[in-house]
Amino acid sequence: LAKTTQPISMDSYEGQEVNITCSHNNIATNDYITWYQQFPSQGPRFIIQGYKTKVTNEVASLFIPADRKSSTLSLPRVSLSDTAVYYCLVGASGSARQLTFGSGTQLTVLP
Amino acid sequence: SQTIHQWPATLVQPVGSPLSLECTVEGTSNPNLYWYRQAAGRGLQLLFYSVGIGQISSEVPQNLSASRPQDRQFILSSKKLLLSDSGFYLCARQGLSYEQYFGPGTRLTVT
Repeated sequence: LAKTTQPISMDSYEGQEVNITCSHNNIATNDYITWYQQFPSQGPRFIIQGYKTKVTNEVASLFIPADRKSSTLSLPRVSLSDTAVYYCLVGASGSARQLTFGSGTQLTVLP
Repeated sequence: SQTIHQWPATLVQPVGSPLSLECTVEGTSNPNLYWYRQAAGRGLQLLFYSVGIGQISSEVPQNLSASRPQDRQFILSSKKLLLSDSGFYLCARQGLSYEQYFGPGTRLTVT
């Protein structure tokens, strides 16, 4: 399984764009990159998933360079309610593979 | 909609007592299901996953066990709880693109 490395914490202010980068140097050819958001005492919530280049949905964008050894989750114009832990996961599709959650990045949005 | 139910929501149990946590899934057939545990302030640790009735894979040897008696039911059990079993237990199902969707969780405190 590809191991991921993320910053432990980040601070931002309301209205700013936040970029959280995840390193996954040993990502395999068939691995997808998935990001989750978790609030205290709740289960993680799926945000976005991608394989290469750029993926955008109504919540976030995911940027993946050509070598796929890293990825960046971009949250546009964050609000106080975006304060949460964000996890980057790398795992293979095609089977019921286990996915290893790291410690995640604690994002704190300040007023 | 595909909903995940977990109960109980919270549980306080003495050391040495048995445990049974239940997870049920609505709206999908033969989902891949997962049990995770999250210690306070930590990431998620995968405990078990199941690809079908009676099929359980264990990721971490410990005093916990899992069973899948029905297609949409996943149970986590222990014969004798340890203090170290305290944590937030999450059930998840796998989506079409191998993303995971989590239930509300059970907060277990072993005293």
